[in-house]
Amino acid sequence: EDQVTQSPEALRLQEGESSSLNCSYTVSGLRGLFWYRQDPGKGPEFLFTLYSAGEEKEKERLKATLTKKESFLHITAPKPEDSATYLCAVQVNQAGTALIFGKGTTLSVSS
Amino acid sequence: DTEVTQTPKHLVMGMTNKKSLKCEQHMGHRAMYWYKQKAKKPPELMFVYSYEKLSINESVPSRFSPECPNSSLLNLHLHALQPEDSALYLCASSTQQGLGYGYTFGSGTRLTVV
Repeated sequence: EDQVTQSPEALRLQEGESSSLNCSYTVSGLRGLFWYRQDPGKGPEFLFTLYSAGEEKEKERLKATLTKKESFLHITAPKPEDSATYLCAVQVNQAGTALIFGKGTTLSVSS
Repeated sequence: DTEVTQTPKHLVMGMTNKKSLKCEQHMGHRAMYWYKQKAKKPPELMFVYSYEKLSINESVPSRFSPECPNSSLLNLHLHALQPEDSALYLCASSTQQGLGYGYTFGSGTRLTVV
């Protein structure tokens, strides 16, 4: 069975305190791994897609990396506006274009 | 236009009501999706439409009835819902390959069943 596990469930950081979120996956036939940001009551906002091990992508204070078993979302010098739930999702060959989501990491950044 | 627009944003309905959720995109995407998200849980797939045809139904109860009238519109018809169906209903669209920047979610409809 395809599984996506995110850790930690919740993370509290001080402004400027860098950290990483983890997404580990056990799937057969990975087509792509997605990172989304979701604010309360809103739809997920696309951040990155990673396709193959060794790939890295960056956007402002965020950097996503991918290995054969897991992905990391590194947050450098976070600001309070980075507070949100970060969702990891995978797309596998057997499920077509549907996304399988992890439970998310809720990040709180205080000033 | 790079958005998926969902209406209404909020909906309160009784268990005997019939209502519909609407989703619209003008990005030329040929795959459209309905996801359901309960509080503090990840989105769960309900339906997938590919080229206006239903391709995946994740064993969703028949009180939820999807419809794709054309390549830009996706509806979700609701009838005889239960209070446990209260959730955020998310629509998404993507390119047929479904990868990369093309996978876009709407802001959702917050549904409350009373």
